[in-house]
Amino acid sequence: QSALTQPASVSGSPGQSITISCTGTSSDVGGYNLVSWYQQHPGKAPEVMIYDDSKRPSGVSDRFSGSKSDNTASLTISGLQAEDEAEYYCFSYAGSSSWVFGGGTKLTVL
Amino acid sequence: QVQLVQSGAEVRKPGASVKVSCKASGFTFNDYIIHWVRQAPGQSLEWMGWIAPGDGATRYSQKFQGRVTFTRDTSASAAYMELSSLRSEDTAVFYCARQFKTGTLWSAFDIWGQGTLVTVSS
Repeated sequence: QSALTQPASVSGSPGQSITISCTGTSSDVGGYNLVSWYQQHPGKAPEVMIYDDSKRPSGVSDRFSGSKSDNTASLTISGLQAEDEAEYYCFSYAGSSSWVFGGGTKLTVL
Repeated sequence: QVQLVQSGAEVRKPGASVKVSCKASGFTFNDYIIHWVRQAPGQSLEWMGWIAPGDGATRYSQKFQGRVTFTRDTSASAAYMELSSLRSEDTAVFYCARQFKTGTLWSAFDIWGQGTLVTVSS
């Protein structure tokens, strides 16, 4: 099972919006509505930001949103804040009870 | 308080095995699935597999198949990950994570352990 493809890095200025893509195949991202997104700050455990492609857990800012088109899922962060600077990972069901992470994207807030 | 608490850091020599524990509290252990995730220094998250505490069912990533074993002790609300034939490339932080259901489908991870650093060095 190959890792899902994410850009290595993205950046944006405070207040701007950024989008992180996560590309897979019809056997994982495109085959199920089971993509989740995780934020990880250095030295910390990941935290779920989006699940089931586009649902936001209670307590997560509405500046975070998820979407999907065909085999590519996307995480959009609007109104960028300094605290959003972190690593972001997508995660998808890949069939046969297996799962797969993306390679991760480092978000820099300029 | 809903949490997963993992065992402490370990140091092993190449070829040895390590067993990491993940103790659950604040929720019904058998109602969820526990996944294990590896993160080597400076690297991305890597899915290792899962165990269903309710019936002990497991699923391993092909990458770790044959080298990793997940077990659980329901009386202690604890899950365990044992990795054998350790090599230097296994130096990493290992996380356990609780997966929740939305409707009838297993979805995302809402609770993570604090991570356990395993160092493999001669």
